[in-house]
Amino acid sequence: KAGVTQTPRYLIKTRGQQVTLSCSPISGHRSVSWYQQTPGQGLQFLFEYFSETQRNKGNFPGRFSGRQFSNSRSEMNVSTLELGDSALYLCASSLRVDGSPLHFGNGTRLTVT
Amino acid sequence: KNEVEQSPQNLTAQEGEFITINCSYSVGISALHWLQQHPGGGIVSLFMLSSGKKKHGRLIATINIQEKHSSLHITASHPRDSAVYICAVGNYGGSQGNLIFGKGTKLSVKP
Repeated sequence: KAGVTQTPRYLIKTRGQQVTLSCSPISGHRSVSWYQQTPGQGLQFLFEYFSETQRNKGNFPGRFSGRQFSNSRSEMNVSTLELGDSALYLCASSLRVDGSPLHFGNGTRLTVT
Repeated sequence: KNEVEQSPQNLTAQEGEFITINCSYSVGISALHWLQQHPGGGIVSLFMLSSGKKKHGRLIATINIQEKHSSLHITASHPRDSAVYICAVGNYGGSQGNLIFGKGTKLSVKP
């Protein structure tokens, strides 16, 4: 069974641009969560989707958004990029929204210049 | 004060040593996760537990809900165990991905 796939692996963008990151969950998993990891703040929860509905959102500005498609693949978008958005963005999938283990992807490393 | 505190921040051990990493939290939880992150970024979920003790190979995780404390033990440590170990807690409420993370413990095991 293929694991969680995140694309692209690396991305370099300029301040003010926007970016879209993709996450394909393990087949059959319907829940996808997104996280941001920076050296200063560590890992922080961005949002969680289940069956195309956003279940919860972390404390991030509205420039961060996401969506989930009917095949459970998810995308997150960051508009008007700032230098501080440089981070490793990780997604994780699980079978359900309660009590099932999380499976993480390898992340997308975003650098904003 | 952080809601999830890990100790130690850094740990260096000799191959074969018994290792303990601690995690204390201050919020009500549905489950606690122990995660392993190697250089390069990918994260592996080691344990998800809500009570008692779990064992997988040389790894053991325990949790004491009353004391809001969990420990991760590695027996007979090996250089391949070198990684960052992260504790995370969640309170489901229908959103188990909504986790609060500790800052991580960087473990280096020397041959």
